[in-house]
Formats: sequence, C-alpha cells, structure tokens
Amino acid sequence: AQSVTQPDIHITVSEGASLELRCNYSYGATPYLFWYVQSPGQGLQLLLKYFSGDTLVQGIKGFEAEFKRSQSSFNLRKPSVHWSDAAEYFCAVGLTGNQFYFGTGTSLTVIP
Amino acid sequence: SQTIHQWPATLVQPVGSPLSLECTVEGTSNPNLYWYRQAAGRGLQLLFYSVGIGQISSEVPQNLSASRPQDRQFILSSKKLLLSDSGFYLCAWSVRWDTRGMNTEAFFGQGTRLTVV
Repeated sequence: AQSVTQPDIHITVSEGASLELRCNYSYGATPYLFWYVQSPGQGLQLLLKYFSGDTLVQGIKGFEAEFKRSQSSFNLRKPSVHWSDAAEYFCAVGLTGNQFYFGTGTSLTVIP
Repeated sequence: SQTIHQWPATLVQPVGSPLSLECTVEGTSNPNLYWYRQAAGRGLQLLFYSVGIGQISSEVPQNLSASRPQDRQFILSSKKLLLSDSGFYLCAWSVRWDTRGMNTEAFFGQGTRLTVV
C-alpha cells in the first residue's frame, strides 16, 4: 500500500545535541517531499521541500533533509537542537494527482 | 500575499447535531483546497480535496462531506455528528498543479478543534 512512514513516534534529545527524524515513503514514482512542523494547537509550517535536483535540501530554522532514492527516505536533520524546536514534525509527499499525504508524525521533546 | 482563514477555532457539539466548518483563501485564484483531520497517533488524514468549484474528491468514506461553492471557499459538513468525528480539522490550499508537475507546498490554516460530546 502507498504510505508515508515515520517510525519514531516520540524522540527526546538534549539541547545542543544533533537530531535526525526518519521518513520513508512507498509510492511508485519519486514523489515530491516535504517536512512540516506543528506547534501545539497550531497549523503546520513548512520547513523544507524537495522537488528535484540536489538531494540535500536546506530549510528554515537550520534544518536540512536528504533524499535517498535507493532507500525511499527523506530524513530530517539538525546539527544542534534548540529548546524552541520542541514540536511535532510531519513528513509529507505530494503526488501529481494534486494530493498531499502525511505521515503519523514524530513528537520531539528537548531537555535542557 | 495569500492568507487562509479557518473558523471557528474551537467547537463543542452534541452527538447527532450538524456541522459546518468554513475555510476561505485570499490573495490567490484557482487554488487546490484540502480538508485534513488530525487524530492522536494517526497523523494528518486527507479527507477531501478540490481542484475547482464543485469538484470534490473524497479520500475516506465517512460521516462527513465537503463542498466548494466559490473558488476560494471550502466547507466541511456533517448532517449528524458522531463521537468519532472529534479531532483537529485543518484546511489547506496549494497552487493548482499543471501538466509540468507541481512546484508548491500546502499552506495550512490554524485549525478547528472539534469535540463531539
């Protein structure tokens, strides 16, 4: 079945530590890929997106993500996490049929 | 600039009552429009999307319906709410995709917290 998988439901990291959030997708063709962040009770804000070209994409707030076709993955990374990064993170795919599909999300807790 | 408005922000409704959530987009024309539901542990579930007035695609069979009476207006409705309809509902829009593919992301409203009691 077609899906977007975020295997980590919850991650806890110390402030200043590095972060990697995993995302895998299973669609026939290479979809368009996105990472969004959601603060509690709020809408979603785009962190970064991949359409084509360079497989390492830079986003806002110091985040980056790498597309790996062979692994059908689009993992999100940040070298040094700040307390303000605590939020829910969603990976999403866009398909040419005008749909956006989201993973189940990863909740990030940052401890001082 | 484009903005998306979604209301109300919170809503408490009794089981069996009707529902109407409204979403409007400003500053763009011919957008794609989307309704999502967010439930704990289930991420964002695409409920409906629309590529034009009167054109609604349903992703999941359910107790809800959607309508697009105007280009930039998207309405989520139910005739009789169920307890399982509780959740956080998000409206989103994107630029209309063409045959060259897409080069846009989805832009989200602030959501409506619906509690069915």
